[in-house]
Parts: sequence; C-alpha cells; structure tokens
Amino acid sequence: AAGVIQSPRHLIKEKRETATLKCYPIPRHDTVYWYQQGPGQDPQFLISFYEKMQSDKGSIPDRFSAQQFSDYHSELNMSSLELGDSALYFCASSLGGVNSPLHFGNGTRLTVT
Amino acid sequence: AQKVTQAQTEISVVEKEDVTLDCVYETRDTTYYLFWYKQPPSGELVFLIRRNSFDEQNEISGRYSWNFQKSTSSFNFTITASQVVDSAVYFCALRGAGTASKLTFGTGTRLQVTL
Repeated sequence: AAGVIQSPRHLIKEKRETATLKCYPIPRHDTVYWYQQGPGQDPQFLISFYEKMQSDKGSIPDRFSAQQFSDYHSELNMSSLELGDSALYFCASSLGGVNSPLHFGNGTRLTVT
Repeated sequence: AQKVTQAQTEISVVEKEDVTLDCVYETRDTTYYLFWYKQPPSGELVFLIRRNSFDEQNEISGRYSWNFQKSTSSFNFTITASQVVDSAVYFCALRGAGTASKLTFGTGTRLQVTL
C-alpha cells in the first residue's frame, strides 16, 4: 500500500540558511499535518491543511511557512535556520473524517550546524 | 486543551513477559479518539490501534490488547508475550472531534525487551 512520502530523508544546513521539506500524502487523503520531534521528545504539532486550506496551527515559528498544493502535496519552508531547529520533521496524512488515523511518513532529519 | 500523560518513562522486560503501558488523558470534548503509535529505533511512527470515546469495548488484536476506561480517562495498552522486536518508544495520542483535528501526543514510554 502507498505510504506518505517525505523528501529529503536527511538534510544538513548551516545557521541562517533556508530549507524546504516536501510531503506527498497517501492518495485520496485530503489532510496533511506537519510535526516536529526534537531528540527524546514527543512529536509537536506545527500546522495542518485540509483540502488545501490551512486548518490548524500549532507552535510553528514565524520563520516557518507551509502550504498544500493542488495535487495535495505539501511543503514546509524554514528560513533563518537556528541550531534549535535540528529535529526530525514528520508529515502525516489522513482522510478528513475524524475517525481516521494519521499515517506518518518516515520523516526528514534536519541538522543545523 | 487536550493533554496526554504517560507516566512511565522507560520499561524493561525480558522476552515473553507481558507488559502494560499506561496512558491518561484530559479533554473537554465529549467525542474524541485515542491512538497508540510505535516508534522503533529506525525512527518512523507506526499506527497501532484506535479507540473511539463512545466505544468502551476492549479488544485484542494478536499480541496487542487495550483497556479503555472512560471513567478514569485511561487508555492502557498491553503487549502479550513481548519480543525483542517490540523494543521501541510507544506514544499514546488523543484527537478531538473536529474535521482535520490534530493529534496530541503523550511524552512516550521507551520499552526495552531483552533476551
């Protein structure tokens, strides 16, 4: 079965640089979520999109932005990177119905040096 | 606001032992959904089980079973006859009833199964 695809798997950036993370949801899933997981931490919700519109926003820094495109893929743009942005970034997708579980991609490990 | 508490930070068992992971949640929603996810050392988050707030029937699925008690706001997860491959961090998570509502995770319980 198709899963959520995230790219790249690993990314190394320097401070103050910009990074773009991509997410391709499971086909026919209409909702995309972004989560950030620091070392030894639980995943923290950043932002979500339902039918290409932002549906909820969590603890996402102003330096970050995201969008969902017409083909339902999503991109998380991160600017002015800081050392503290080093983390595992997950994208998840689901059907809009509340009973649907979120299916997570394998994550992008971002290292900021 | 929603909150999920997993008081057990780390559990160590010997293979073939049964192990129960505790989860307590807080929510003001009358309808909500509870989940367990597994995060093995490779890092991916794997969906395990789901329970609706209006269905307190407990079930068994293979070596997994869960005990949902609305009266105590608990959603405990049991692995029977644990195996080394069960070693992972297990997250309990809560989701509200709104369309596209987010998952709120607990802090996770690291399970170490040894031979």
